[in-house]
Amino acid sequence: GEDVEQSLFLSVREGDSSVINCTYTDSSSTYLYWYKQEPGAGLQLLTYIFSNMDMKQDQRLTVLLNKKDKHLSLRIADTQTGDSAIYFCAESTRQNNNDMRFGAGTRLTVKP
Amino acid sequence: KAGVTQTPRYLIKTRGQQVTLSCSPISGHRSVSWYQQTPGQGLQFLFEYFSETQRNKGNFPGRFSGRQFSNSRSEMNVSTLELGDSALYLCASSLQGDHEQYFGPGTRLTVT
Repeated sequence: GEDVEQSLFLSVREGDSSVINCTYTDSSSTYLYWYKQEPGAGLQLLTYIFSNMDMKQDQRLTVLLNKKDKHLSLRIADTQTGDSAIYFCAESTRQNNNDMRFGAGTRLTVKP
Repeated sequence: KAGVTQTPRYLIKTRGQQVTLSCSPISGHRSVSWYQQTPGQGLQFLFEYFSETQRNKGNFPGRFSGRQFSNSRSEMNVSTLELGDSALYLCASSLQGDHEQYFGPGTRLTVT
């Protein structure tokens, strides 16, 4: 089947930038998403990007998409302790996203 | 605007029993999707309901079923529980099944 892969752990110091990487295999992916999950909570949609875009910025978040390499990244500027969470990359091929595939999640730890 | 709510938040059942989980979507949302989250398998799509009809289904056995009511509230049922059904069950709603899905906090099911 099609896969979405992420590194499992990332540790940064407060105030630094965090970069979380994701690769996917389905070349027909249309939408790519980043979700955040805090302990005991559901998934919070952070941002998404259409496959015809290569960059999207939203306040401290920057998403970069390299469609040729099927590589997606999420950069968090000025990382805060409140950013500590698990970040999931996901992709879907249709506008109805019930076929959404998720990565295993990257646990971001922000040290003071 | 109230978010997606799920009840109960925690549940302990024994093998062989059955369980019903409930999800109330955001007001006005007509699509409800269910996901299973486990440490080993990550997030996996169970099924999606739209206008009281199951529109899509993931690769889960028939023990997993669901329904949606006219007010868009959804329930999922698992019969003949197995130890491997222990997981966080997440519900997500969206307007029409388009890309912006909003997740509830989940129901943590433990099967002993």
